[in-house]
Amino acid sequence: AQKITQTQPGMFVQEKEAVTLDCTYDTSDQSYGLFWYKQPSSGEMIFLIYQGSYDEQNATEGRYSLNFQKARKSANLVISASQLGDSAMYFCAMREWKNNDMRFGAGTRLTVKP
Amino acid sequence: DTGVSQDPRHKITKRGQNVTFRCDPISEHNRLYWYRQTLGQGPEFLTYFQNEAQLEKSRLLSDRFSAERPKGSFSTLEIQRTEQGDSAMYLCASSPRRTAPSEETQYFGPGTRLLVL
Repeated sequence: AQKITQTQPGMFVQEKEAVTLDCTYDTSDQSYGLFWYKQPSSGEMIFLIYQGSYDEQNATEGRYSLNFQKARKSANLVISASQLGDSAMYFCAMREWKNNDMRFGAGTRLTVKP
Repeated sequence: DTGVSQDPRHKITKRGQNVTFRCDPISEHNRLYWYRQTLGQGPEFLTYFQNEAQLEKSRLLSDRFSAERPKGSFSTLEIQRTEQGDSAMYLCASSPRRTAPSEETQYFGPGTRLLVL
């Protein structure tokens, strides 16, 4: 069963504006981690931000923040002040305590327009 | 501080040939993962090593696939008798050990793009 859902295949944002990429997940575990990765056209997966299921504060890393709503099982990525270099695929992923693997969503392609 | 490296970056082969990919993790990371990513999809887990021990294999890893990490450092992924359906990006990732596995951030290499003709 699909555990990570990214409903936006593609998103456009104007340079310097903020954008939110949606992610919902499904788990019965109480302990899990949520991750966002960026994949440029070169192919490398670049780690952006992590949120633990027990973290009460939303994670932030520079221009990236994670809007974590545990009851709704959502972990949306917010990118502030978009830059042209932010154009890429973005993947949401989850790792449950009991599993060794990380489950990824299908990704959202973000295009930043000048 | 070097990241995860993979070799080769690209591989074109004919159906039925064997191919081998190499992954060098971040030096202090004891955990290593292989994933496969097909076009338009997120990565899918293949297998996982803790040091030299292969602790988990996905059902995606058919008998034609084998992975090793002989000294707990670099890892190889071999595909025997390649098929056109094996065409994909093969990603390697490594992570340091954390108390809670769900806290472990995996750092990925650049991947190996395989095309089977």
